[in-house]
Amino acid sequence: GDSVTQMEGPVTLSEEAFLTINCTYTATGYPSLFWYVQYPGEGLQLLLKATKADDKGSNKGFEATYRKETTSFHLEKGSVQVSDSAVYFCALSDSGGGADGLTFGKGTHLIIQP
Amino acid sequence: ETGVTQSPTHLIKTRGQQVTLRCSSQSGHNTVSWYQQALGQGPQFIFQYYREEENGRGNFPPRFSGLQFPNYSSELNVNALELDDSALYLCASSLELASSSYEQYFGPGTRLTVT
Repeated sequence: GDSVTQMEGPVTLSEEAFLTINCTYTATGYPSLFWYVQYPGEGLQLLLKATKADDKGSNKGFEATYRKETTSFHLEKGSVQVSDSAVYFCALSDSGGGADGLTFGKGTHLIIQP
Repeated sequence: ETGVTQSPTHLIKTRGQQVTLRCSSQSGHNTVSWYQQALGQGPQFIFQYYREEENGRGNFPPRFSGLQFPNYSSELNVNALELDDSALYLCASSLELASSSYEQYFGPGTRLTVT
């Protein structure tokens, strides 16, 4: 079945550091890929998405490129801020209409220190 | 535009009891999905409803059941609660069945504790 593997945390960085959170996936079809963020006490928010190979999703300074050859969708940001502290989830959808739901990784807790 | 809301925020139940969780979809959304998020884990898909019919289901036993109402609000019912059912239950709504690139909008969740 489908699966998503992402680097375990917590990941602790200083403000303005470069961020990479690795995500790799296994899927039977051609999935869409997502990054969701969960701030403390809040629900999941869609951060960015990519629907086909070589697509780049971007939002709020975060980027991720859909790499079919390496089955990866790594999240990057050039200069993190304290406000980026949250749990980040990589996810995929492998079905038309989403009838199988989203498959999530276990999440990576990011801590940004001032 | 009203986002996805869930109730209650927290609740505590005893093993063997039944529980009903509620979700109001984002305005205009006709598809709702439910997820279970155990502590320290990613959400796991329970099932999805589209226009009041179950449209897909994850690897959860039949004691997990749901309903979607004509106004697209939804319920998740869990019978014969077990200790392992303790988790954050997330509801997500989306505009309509489309390609797999559809976006889901999540509510804040209901924290269920089974003792």
